[in-house]
Amino acid sequence: DAGITQSPRHKVTETGTPVTLRCHQTENHRYMYWYRQDPGHGLRLIHYSYGVKDTDKGEVSDGYSVSRSKTEDFLLTLESATSSQTSVYFCAISEGNTEAFFGQGTRLTVV
Amino acid sequence: QQQVKQSPQSLIVQKGGISIINCAYENTAFDYFPWYQQFPGKGPALLIAIRPDVSEKKEGRFTISFNKSAKQFSLHIMDSQPGDSATYFCAASMRDGNNRLAFGKGNQVVVIP
Repeated sequence: DAGITQSPRHKVTETGTPVTLRCHQTENHRYMYWYRQDPGHGLRLIHYSYGVKDTDKGEVSDGYSVSRSKTEDFLLTLESATSSQTSVYFCAISEGNTEAFFGQGTRLTVV
Repeated sequence: QQQVKQSPQSLIVQKGGISIINCAYENTAFDYFPWYQQFPGKGPALLIAIRPDVSEKKEGRFTISFNKSAKQFSLHIMDSQPGDSATYFCAASMRDGNNRLAFGKGNQVVVIP
């Protein structure tokens, strides 16, 4: 497996609480991405980063923010979690228009 | 709006048979078309990918067929095995270098022994 670690792997949180998911890579890849996976929707891009402190929105960015202060870490924050954000979240890394490597995923449940 | 449309949603095939999954896209700026394989509880992993300068790419039992004029591409799994039972996603991205993958909704393939 590519050197990608997501933490936590599982989390249950209450509606309205802030949640931060972490993605850590050891591959020194420039690009990092956060996707969510939901039944019937496949994988949808939330936010991505093309360098330290350089981020941009994906197709489902509402309610999410990200930060990348170091090449190896990409954080996804849900400022105030809602039940619609219950999902499996995947981090991915790549070096550009080539293969993207995915982490093992974080299963988030908002109750 | 789904940029990549995948069909069928699920597929059951006998061991030794051929599994075929189809994808269609609209954006002619797409120039990289990967297929990802995902097992339960795991992240997607690249299976095979193609660029539009070729019409077919084969790796072992897996083949991508690409039809640029029809804006369609498909995955063929020959001699399907029970270990191929997984969810398969087609995707597409553009040459702008950010490799933002647009995924299809996925197809669950079940290979019956």
